[in-house]
Amino acid sequence: DTEVTQTPKHLVMGMTNKKSLKCEQHMGHRAMYWYKQKAKKPPELMFVYSYEKLSINESVPSRFSPECPNSSLLNLHLHALQPEDSALYLCASSQGQTNEKLFFGSGTQLSVL
Amino acid sequence: SQQGEEDPQALSIQEGENATMNCSYKTSINNLQWYRQNSGRGLVHLILIRSNEREKHSGRLRVTLDTSKKSSSLLITASRAADTASYFCAPGRYGQNFVFGPGTRLSVLP
Repeated sequence: DTEVTQTPKHLVMGMTNKKSLKCEQHMGHRAMYWYKQKAKKPPELMFVYSYEKLSINESVPSRFSPECPNSSLLNLHLHALQPEDSALYLCASSQGQTNEKLFFGSGTQLSVL
Repeated sequence: SQQGEEDPQALSIQEGENATMNCSYKTSINNLQWYRQNSGRGLVHLILIRSNEREKHSGRLRVTLDTSKKSSSLLITASRAADTASYFCAPGRYGQNFVFGPGTRLSVLP
């Protein structure tokens, strides 16, 4: 199984809602990532978990809260988002080292109304 | 973090033609990877070339790496409409996460 599965594929939420994005991999990878991608722009790194510990937080606002319950799962909890947070959210994983091959999920297209 | 810069930013070719895109980076690397992204989808890893390699092939893909010039190129031969996508290079260095550059948007016209 070489897949990274993200759910949901699409999400529409209001600015007062709380929602979560989920990501799962069963490749035994020990590093997992969240990226944010606006239309026609490259993916921007948000968070990195290494061995289930948060190792990188790229100055992301606190309305985004990552969680890594175990080595296969990665969540991104969303609360009080702004319309400018509308984007494609991508999850990725890699075996361990930070410069290794990344496996990406298909993403969650988020719209904040 | 280490960022690559792809060039050109957009490229249109006819089906069957070859497509070449380039990547430049600023500091020393351990490897360089190329990724493809179809519109609205996740990135797909295409090929990894290590810093001690000069050329690598995978199917219709040919990647070169010139560490003295800090540059790489990706050649797609006999392009198909399905190759229409954005292509990103990712210079890799131990201990550093990838920073993706603007990418090259390739359009292959039937």
